[in-house]
Amino acid sequence: AQTVTQSQPEMSVQEAETVTLSCTYDTSESDYYLFWYKQPPSRQMILVIRQEAYKQQNATENRFSVNFQKAAKSFSLKISDSQLGDAAMYFCAYRSWTGGSEKLVFGKGTKLTVNP
Amino acid sequence: DTAVSQTPKYLVTQMGNDKSIKCEQNLGHDTMYWYKQDSKKFLKIMFSYNNKELIINETVPNRFSPKSPDKAHLNLHINSLELGDSAVYFCASSPRGGSYEQYFGPGTRLTVT
Repeated sequence: AQTVTQSQPEMSVQEAETVTLSCTYDTSESDYYLFWYKQPPSRQMILVIRQEAYKQQNATENRFSVNFQKAAKSFSLKISDSQLGDAAMYFCAYRSWTGGSEKLVFGKGTKLTVNP
Repeated sequence: DTAVSQTPKYLVTQMGNDKSIKCEQNLGHDTMYWYKQDSKKFLKIMFSYNNKELIINETVPNRFSPKSPDKAHLNLHINSLELGDSAVYFCASSPRGGSYEQYFGPGTRLTVT
C-alpha cells in the first residue's frame, strides 16, 4: 500500500522569505500523480500544485514550485516570497490507482505559520 | 457557482442518533468520494462511487452507509452515532482521466456529544 510521510508537523517562515515543506512517499507504481493541497482555517481544501510522475520537469505555479525526485520518492514544496495568506495546513497527497479504484492517500500535514 | 457543496456545514448531535450529510457536485464528474478528517487533521478515504456504483469501502463501520441516487449526488448516512465519529467529513469529486485532481466540498463538522 502506498504511504505518504510529512516529517515536519510545523514550520514557520518570515513574510517575504522562502520555505520548503518536505514529503516522501512509498509506492511500487511507475506512473502516478502527486499533489499538494492547502487547508486554511476556513477548512476548504485547495489544490496548490500537481506533478505527474512521468514528467521530469518540476511543476511550478506562481510562487509555488516542487522539487520532485522520483528515484528518492521525494516531493517537496517550495513557497517563495511567503505571504500572510499562505498560513495554513499543507497536505501532500499521492493518487493511488489500484484494481480500478482511485483515491488520494494523504500525509499527516504540515502547519505553516507566516510571521509578519 | 459552487462546484462541490455539502449540507449541513455543521452538525451537533447526541450519541445514538442517526444523521445524514448530503453532497452535490455540478462539475459533471463521474467519481465522488467521502473522506474523514480526524481531530489530528489526518485525512483518510472512506468511500468512493463511480457513476452510482460503490468502488471503495475502506473498512468503515457498517453504521456508515453511503448512497448515490445519481452521479451528481453522494450522501452519507450514519446510524447510532458514537463519540468517535466526531470529525470533519469531506465530499470530493473527480473526472475520469486528465489530471485526476479531486475537488473538495467545504466539509461538514460533525460533533457528537
